[in-house]
Amino acid sequence: DVKVTQSSRYLVKRTGEKVFLECVQDMDHENMFWYRQDPGLGLRLIYFSYDVKMKEKGDIPEGYSVSREKKERFSLILESASTNQTSMYLCASSTPPGRPSSGANVLTFGAGSRLTVL
Amino acid sequence: GDSVTQMEGPVTLSEEAFLTINCTYTATGYPSLFWYVQYPGEGLQLLLKATKADDKGSNKGFEATYRKETTSFHLEKGSVQVSDSAVYFCALSDHRGATNKLIFGTGTLLAVQP
Repeated sequence: DVKVTQSSRYLVKRTGEKVFLECVQDMDHENMFWYRQDPGLGLRLIYFSYDVKMKEKGDIPEGYSVSREKKERFSLILESASTNQTSMYLCASSTPPGRPSSGANVLTFGAGSRLTVL
Repeated sequence: GDSVTQMEGPVTLSEEAFLTINCTYTATGYPSLFWYVQYPGEGLQLLLKATKADDKGSNKGFEATYRKETTSFHLEKGSVQVSDSAVYFCALSDHRGATNKLIFGTGTLLAVQP
């Protein structure tokens, strides 16, 4: 019954490495999101995408990029990992607002990817 | 910009106690309001939501009422269980634009002791 799958639950990387976090959803959702979760800061939006090949910056995009080549897949890329990017990363997906559905405007989250950068 | 403020935790309660977690918001539009829950080792799950003023969301014994006059969406449960131990996030979503990105509060850790 898993609907949003994040490929790695735990990763340990070295400073300067390129890191890929993958997210796949099987609900045919248009919208996909990447958040990071840090204690005392809650969830902060990094990037989101409202369609294939479309992306917009969230509140903290610095140091990150994203890729959405297929509707079901949304990848987060750390071009050169740094220690301050050690965090829990959460992917989510949803249908757009205004859809005649009780599920519209509700985000479905993956289980998270805990990244440690040494 | 839009924001959500929720009470800091941790909140520690005994089983069967009454729970309130406060949440207030600032928004220029007419947002939808949500409570999400994160159990240990898991991602966030929707607990309940309300889409307009005076709506009450409810699920699993939890309730929250959308109060526009006080810009609040406090979470309540009459009798908590050990299994309710989790982190609770209040969030808002405006209806502008093509996406429904959520703005989250900082989360409140609830620990229920037997």
